[in-house]
Amino acid sequence: AQKITQTQPGMFVQEKEAVTLDCTYDTSDPSYGLFWYKQPSSGEMIFLIYQGSYDQQNATEGRYSLNFQKARKSANLVISASLQGDSAMYFCAMRSNFGNEKLTFGTGTRLTIIP
Amino acid sequence: DVKVTQSSRYLVKRTGEKVFLECVQDMDHENMFWYRQDPGLGLRLIYFSYDVKMKEKGDIPEGYSVSREKKERFSLILESASTNQTSMYLCASSKPGTGRGYTFGSGTRLTVV
Repeated sequence: AQKITQTQPGMFVQEKEAVTLDCTYDTSDPSYGLFWYKQPSSGEMIFLIYQGSYDQQNATEGRYSLNFQKARKSANLVISASLQGDSAMYFCAMRSNFGNEKLTFGTGTRLTIIP
Repeated sequence: DVKVTQSSRYLVKRTGEKVFLECVQDMDHENMFWYRQDPGLGLRLIYFSYDVKMKEKGDIPEGYSVSREKKERFSLILESASTNQTSMYLCASSKPGTGRGYTFGSGTRLTVV
């Protein structure tokens, strides 16, 4: 069974500062993928970044980067120079590369950017 | 612009009613999923389908059923709605084997009174 743990229910960050959202995972599968999604108040789920378990380098997408530490089973999301528009719920998720392709989600972190 | 469309944004139903939540995707994706989202619980998988007429139970299938008669459409059915099914329901689709993200609909907020 797969499990995602997000221990920060809410975070407040000053605008223009960097922020790290924590995510740890548990799986016995040797090959898997890790995802981060953003959910603004409008409710849509927006894909941010993906990391494969065998990727040698940490994934980056613009202001987003994923700090992947395989041995520690952590996949933290780093947002550099936060903006007002970053205020949202953030979900970490994983998918095994064996069998079905369902995503298992964490409970989310609500990020609020303070002007 | 490719997308996943959920037929209703908000829905209010009475206890005991049969409820249909519809989801349509235009990306020719084989996989489709239904999740429910509750505060403090994140998203939990109800059912998913990897092909027409194929379905598998997710983590919380009790009280729900699904139908997939056409590739682009995946319906979630609440046979007899109950108040504990009040929630946000999210549909998603994906192409098998892709390493990237899944595409989600905008969600249906269902209230059962």
